[in-house]
Amino acid sequence: EVQLVESGGGLVQPGGSLRLSCSASGFTFSSYWMTWVRQAPGKGLEWVANIKQNGREKYYVDSVKGRFTISRDNAKNSLYLQINSLRVEDTAVYYCARDSGSTSMDRWGQGTLVTVSS
Amino acid sequence: DIQMTQSPSTLSASVGDSVIITCRASQSISSWLAWYQQKPGKAPKLLIYRASSLESGVPSRFSASGSGTEFTLTISSLQPDDFATYYCQQYNSYWMYSFGQGTKVEIK
Repeated sequence: EVQLVESGGGLVQPGGSLRLSCSASGFTFSSYWMTWVRQAPGKGLEWVANIKQNGREKYYVDSVKGRFTISRDNAKNSLYLQINSLRVEDTAVYYCARDSGSTSMDRWGQGTLVTVSS
Repeated sequence: DIQMTQSPSTLSASVGDSVIITCRASQSISSWLAWYQQKPGKAPKLLIYRASSLESGVPSRFSASGSGTEFTLTISSLQPDDFATYYCQQYNSYWMYSFGQGTKVEIK
């Protein structure tokens, strides 16, 4: 069974940093693009970043460029999102998702909540 | 950037009704469109990919069509489990995904 489990969320002050993790199991992690999507409280879904199977291609939504870094460790079946210079507007549930290419995001984790507040 | 616009934002319907949600892209995305269902407090669930292909395990009352810039999701004979929020998402290129703003299907 495919499983994606996010962790690392929490309460952080503006300007702070967090590292989110997503542990994958039940599939060949190294064969898939992986994606982070976030959802602010009461709002819609927003694509944040994605990363190619070998980690050599990474893309970001404009609002997080220069502050967020997506990475992966295929040996550990893990995806990461380093989030720096946090802003109040980064408050959201962050989901990791498996990206099958032709089918887009076919499996999702349960999400981890990041709250940015003083 | 490719903007995705869904309509309506909210839709009130009864069990057994047939409903249609529309999604429009600001430029052509061929058939690179997916539809997701999300219930409160839960992760999104993939329903449709490549504009009209039904994800495995999704009931056949869900169907979708379209290409280019105009797309629709149809739910025939709404069931109680279908009251949720639905999002379209374009994946025309890896470097710029985007979602529609969502359509909430609520009980009339």
